[in-house]
Amino acid sequence: DVKVTQSSRYLVKRTGEKVFLECVQDMDHENMFWYRQDPGLGLRLIYFSYDVKMKEKGDIPEGYSVSREKKERFSLILESASTNQTSMYLCASTRSGSVAKNIQYFGAGTRLSVL
Amino acid sequence: AQSVTQLGSHVSVSEGALVLLRCNYSSSVPPYLFWYVQYPNQGLQLLLKYTSAATLVKGITGFEAEFKKSETSFHLTKPSAHMSDAAEYFCAVTKGSSNTGKLIFGQGTTLQVKP
Repeated sequence: DVKVTQSSRYLVKRTGEKVFLECVQDMDHENMFWYRQDPGLGLRLIYFSYDVKMKEKGDIPEGYSVSREKKERFSLILESASTNQTSMYLCASTRSGSVAKNIQYFGAGTRLSVL
Repeated sequence: AQSVTQLGSHVSVSEGALVLLRCNYSSSVPPYLFWYVQYPNQGLQLLLKYTSAATLVKGITGFEAEFKKSETSFHLTKPSAHMSDAAEYFCAVTKGSSNTGKLIFGQGTTLQVKP
């Protein structure tokens, strides 16, 4: 069964802290994505990666960075957390293939509160 | 540029009634279209997809959607709502060509099912 695991379900951090959100998939998928989900805004793409050590900016990359040192792991980093980064963060992965690369498998999400 | 609009952020139906969740899209290239469902405190899971084959697609748990190019719509329906259908539903369209693997999500529609 397909599985995408996000390391924390809930996280509370202070303004200015460096925050790491971890995502691991066990499906040998090539592509991984980080989104944030806010009420009324749907999901917005922060960063994505098509391969190890490869990353590309999504629609709202400001204030975030990512790391993909291994195929199965994709980390989202908030260099200096701010209150406007309080949100639900969702990780997703897909495999290659013309149709398959569009079928995203999601983790359960990390709800981050920045105080 | 591609976009997705879900009409109605909240839809309420009685158990046993017809469910209709509306999605309209814009795309300059032939799109793939998706409906995802998010149950409380969970990530998103794929409900059904349109990938240029049959225009009427059936998904899990009795839902179906019809791709109507002339109306640029991909509405989600279910003949008879069940209490377990209460969730948030997201419509998504491929961003750019289907080769990018990126999706644009709508704002989401919360479905409430009343007994």
